[in-house]
Amino acid sequence: AQSVTQLGSHVSVSEGALVLLRCNYSSSVPPYLFWYVQYPNQGLQLLLKYTTGATLVKGINGFEAEFKKSETSFHLTKPSAHMSDAAEYFCAVSSGGYNKLIFGAGTRLAVHP
Amino acid sequence: AAGVIQSPRHLIKEKRETATLKCYPIPRHDTVYWYQQGPGQDPQFLISFYEKMQSDKGSIPDRFSAQQFSDYHSELNMSSLELGDSALYFCASSLGARLGSGGATDTQYFGPGTRLTVL
Repeated sequence: AQSVTQLGSHVSVSEGALVLLRCNYSSSVPPYLFWYVQYPNQGLQLLLKYTTGATLVKGINGFEAEFKKSETSFHLTKPSAHMSDAAEYFCAVSSGGYNKLIFGAGTRLAVHP
Repeated sequence: AAGVIQSPRHLIKEKRETATLKCYPIPRHDTVYWYQQGPGQDPQFLISFYEKMQSDKGSIPDRFSAQQFSDYHSELNMSSLELGDSALYFCASSLGARLGSGGATDTQYFGPGTRLTVL
């Protein structure tokens, strides 16, 4: 079985500050990990993913995440927040192939001037 | 680049009516997934199809059915609609794994969603 826990349903940062969104997973098989972003009334857009190989993955819009097997974590970071980063962020896990995604509850990121 | 297309984008129905949601995957993608996202909730997996065969089933009510057609588009049919069915329904597509092909992308690309409101 697989599951995802996102710590913090709401995160607020100042523009220019570090963004850190936490994600921990549970998986009985090697996980495939994803971060998606959802803007209001829109679909889910893939930010980045980890499947195999390099544990530090870079995504779009300056985001990156590091897969840490020992900590079962896949935290999302961005060095400097921008107002346009305000959105809902979902961490998800799957077992690869054409298997379903299991989503975390989401973290709403607010960026204030 | 072509994306996943969903229609309609918005749908309003009365209780006990039926609804059909359509999904057109990215060209060459052979796997389709359906997810339901209730207000303020995370997306929940409903059902998926690979090469026109059901590949997995999640928390999909018996009132719902789905299929994937020869052109790989998919339809989600919902009957006896209830107020609780009001949600955003997402379709996602991917290039599924084929034995020996090494071509699996493992990445699901989501459509914009269909917002269903049941009154």
